[in-house]
Amino acid sequence: KNEVEQSPQNLTAQEGEFITINCSYSVGISALHWLQQHPGGGIVSLFMLSSGKKKHGRLIATINIQEKHSSLHITASHPRDSAVYICAVRDSNYQLIWGAGTKLIIKP
Amino acid sequence: NAGVTQTPKFQVLKTGQSMTLQCAQDMNHNSMYWYRQDPGMGLRLIYYSASEGTTDKGEVPNGYNVSRLNKREFSLRLESAAPSQTSVYFCASSYDRGVLDIQYFGAGTRLSVL
Repeated sequence: KNEVEQSPQNLTAQEGEFITINCSYSVGISALHWLQQHPGGGIVSLFMLSSGKKKHGRLIATINIQEKHSSLHITASHPRDSAVYICAVRDSNYQLIWGAGTKLIIKP
Repeated sequence: NAGVTQTPKFQVLKTGQSMTLQCAQDMNHNSMYWYRQDPGMGLRLIYYSASEGTTDKGEVPNGYNVSRLNKREFSLRLESAAPSQTSVYFCASSYDRGVLDIQYFGAGTRLSVL
């Protein structure tokens, strides 16, 4: 079983829909990262969080340490949000453990 | 400010050939990383360098060597390429490997080994 599980693996939605991507992990962590990989391959860090909630524009990331779960939400989704969203957790040895990613397609 | 620059962007090799992937960062970061990304799998760490002069194995180091040439540059070498090394390779850097570090990624190198 992978230590970091993302769901869904693939998600297709219509423009304007509210999007939720989930990340569950089974190890103790010191921080959790959400990253975005563009269709061209480039990877950009979106959030790093260790508790609570962070918001940047239409993106919101939450984490529940007790439940070992994080969610990435996108409000008013747009085709330009189409990308692979990756969750990664930093364990107690400072190693980054990566999820396999969620491929999001937003149709106009 | 270029961030993390990787070269080449694409490469095709024959089995047994060698090559070096170059990575440079201009953010004065201490730590640098090499990952590979395969379809359906998360990024896997090949090697990392926590600081200039040090390198350590990651999750999948076999078949690779690295050199931290100076603070800016971290190269990845395939001495004898194998088809199993067909992948997309990403270099990344961060200020340090502590809890609060954020990694910045290069654009990737798409490598095919025939």
